[in-house]
Amino acid sequence: RKEVEQDPGPFNVPEGATVAFNCTYSNSASQSFFWYRQDCRKEPKLLMSVYSSGNEDGRFTAQLNRASQYISLLIRDSKLSDSATYLCVVRTDTGRRALTFGSGTRLQVQP
Amino acid sequence: GAVVSQHPSRVICKSGTSVKIECRSLDFQATTMFWYRQFPKQSLMLMATSNEGSKATYEQGVEKDKFLINHASLTLSTLTVTSAHPEDSSFYICTPGGARGAFFGQGTRLTVV
Repeated sequence: RKEVEQDPGPFNVPEGATVAFNCTYSNSASQSFFWYRQDCRKEPKLLMSVYSSGNEDGRFTAQLNRASQYISLLIRDSKLSDSATYLCVVRTDTGRRALTFGSGTRLQVQP
Repeated sequence: GAVVSQHPSRVICKSGTSVKIECRSLDFQATTMFWYRQFPKQSLMLMATSNEGSKATYEQGVEKDKFLINHASLTLSTLTVTSAHPEDSSFYICTPGGARGAFFGQGTRLTVV
């Protein structure tokens, strides 16, 4: 079983749509959670950290459910520029503290 | 601005040759650097962790004699792919440990022909 699981998609949505991505993680010792965005053949870029209380950054809202080991990302009013692969990432904050990545969910926003 | 500078961004090499990839931390000292590899349509997988002043730590299944890691100083970590084979063709990328760990180098796309 993968440590971080995501639906690979692709999600094809029209501009202006709301789209939600989900992610589950298996390591209950995970303590930090993130969503990254990766454009084709580029390095991942941090989109937002995810907190238990939920957090919002403009059109993006992230939620964390520690009991269910479940993370979500909601994108409202999708733009063409949102087309990318969204990576769910977790980290344990002991030991080597490396990031563990999901394989990503591909989003294609269409005009 | 960039936190980590990684070079080269793209390299094509012949089978059997070696390729060195550099990651330099900019304006800060990185005692730890994580090296990842990403095959097409797959997730980034941790290969190894370089530590300044000590030996690198390799993940299970990663050959330490093939992927040589050196953390020569607090601002430079290198990954050398030795005796490269076509199956080593991949996207290699680094990220520092610690507070700057949210940032990545630009990545190196290696193609072995």
